[in-house]
Amino acid sequence: AQSVTQLDSQVPVFEEAPVELRCNYSSSVSVYLFWYVQYPNQGLQLLLKYLSGSTLVKGINGFEAEFNKSQTSFHLRKPSVHISDTAEYFCAVNYGGSQGNLIFGKGTKLSVKP
Amino acid sequence: EAGVTQFPSHSVIEKGQTVTLRCDPISGHDNLYWYRRVMGKEIKFLLHFVKESKQDESGMPNNRFLAERTGGTYSTLKVQPAELEDSGVYFCASSQVGHQETQYFGPGTRLLVL
Repeated sequence: AQSVTQLDSQVPVFEEAPVELRCNYSSSVSVYLFWYVQYPNQGLQLLLKYLSGSTLVKGINGFEAEFNKSQTSFHLRKPSVHISDTAEYFCAVNYGGSQGNLIFGKGTKLSVKP
Repeated sequence: EAGVTQFPSHSVIEKGQTVTLRCDPISGHDNLYWYRRVMGKEIKFLLHFVKESKQDESGMPNNRFLAERTGGTYSTLKVQPAELEDSGVYFCASSQVGHQETQYFGPGTRLLVL
C-alpha cells in the first residue's frame, strides 16, 4: 500500500540550531514529493516540491529537501531555525496517475525555543 | 491573486444536525480536492473534482457525506446527519489542469460535532 512515514511526531530545537525533519515513502516508479507547513491557526502552505530534475530542492524561508530514490526519502532541512519556524510540517506524496490525490504523513511539530 | 478560501472557519454542531462547508478554489483551477484531518491522524483524501465532475470519490467515508460543484466553480461538502467521528479539520485544495500535481490548500474548516 502507498504510505508516507514521518517518524518524528515532535522535534524540539533551540533557535539558530540546524534541523532535519524526516520523511520516507513507500517505493514507486515515479513520485512527486511535497512539504507543506501549517503555522498556528493557519492553513497549509506549500514549502517546497520535487517533481523532477535536481534532487536538491530549495523552498521558502530557507528550507531545502533532498530526494533520495534509493532510500525512498525526502528529508527537510534548515541550517539555522528561527522562533517563527515553529509550526507543523507535513510530507506528502503524489504517486502519479490522473487522480492526483496526495498521501500525507502524520506531521511533525517543530518547536523552536529561544 | 486570491488563494483558496473556505467557509466557515469554524463550526460547532450537535450530533444529528446538518453542516455545509464551502470551498472557493483559486480562479482558473479546474481541479478541486477535499481532504480531512481527524484529530491525531494524518490528512486524508476525500474526493477530487475536475470542473463539475467527480473524478475520484474513493476517500468519502460514507453516504452521509455529499459533495457538489455545480457550475465547476465553488464546491460544497454537506454532512447529514453529522456524527461525533466527523469532527476534524476539512481542507480544500485546488490545482491547474496540466499542473495538477501541485495543490494549493485553503485554511480549512474546523468542525466539532458534540
